[in-house]
Amino acid sequence: DTAVSQTPKYLVTQMGNDKSIKCEQNLGHDTMYWYKQDSKKFLKIMFSYNNKELIINETVPNRFSPKSPDKAHLNLHINSLELGDSAVYFCASSQVDSGRGVETQYFGPGTRLLVL
Amino acid sequence: GQNIDQPTEMTATEGAIVQINCTYQTSGFNGLFWYQQHAGEAPTFLSYNVLDGLEEKGRFSSFLSRSKGYSYLLLKELQMKDSASYLCAVRDSNYQLIWGAGTKLIIKP
Repeated sequence: DTAVSQTPKYLVTQMGNDKSIKCEQNLGHDTMYWYKQDSKKFLKIMFSYNNKELIINETVPNRFSPKSPDKAHLNLHINSLELGDSAVYFCASSQVDSGRGVETQYFGPGTRLLVL
Repeated sequence: GQNIDQPTEMTATEGAIVQINCTYQTSGFNGLFWYQQHAGEAPTFLSYNVLDGLEEKGRFSSFLSRSKGYSYLLLKELQMKDSASYLCAVRDSNYQLIWGAGTKLIIKP
């Protein structure tokens, strides 16, 4: 069974459109994330979210908004898409390993977004 | 600002040993992670260091020196499947993960 899944895997769209990417995790984790990986391969965190707190990277434009219908889902909605939004978007989830105090992140397969 | 530095690309021979270095300057330190990312795939967890010293896990080992802001990932008995990018990430004082750009490792027969 897939631990963290994302849909769609590929998304090609026109500038100015609004689109959503869905993410689901079946690991029972409390915290989920959205990352953007650009052409230079930098992973940049966009949001982290658990039941209690949404942490937003202040550099993320407000055209991007996370939506969490429940603990297992964190969707990413993007308004008015721009050329510079083209990238791979990864969803991830994590839980603290209480024995070691390690919080390992498990990533989804990524969504390749191309804005034309 | 916060910064993670890794070499952009390295090349090694199958069966050999390679060391991938990572230096960091972050606001606080709460652990360092190494992830492996094959082309077109998601990153997967390799190792975690929070105390100084060497953590060994099979063919992979990771070392940390907090005083030097330095870590390395050591890969032994290289296999062709080890060709991938290796990402260093540091958790800062706010428990946010700061990621390096990754080191692309090319393994030659």
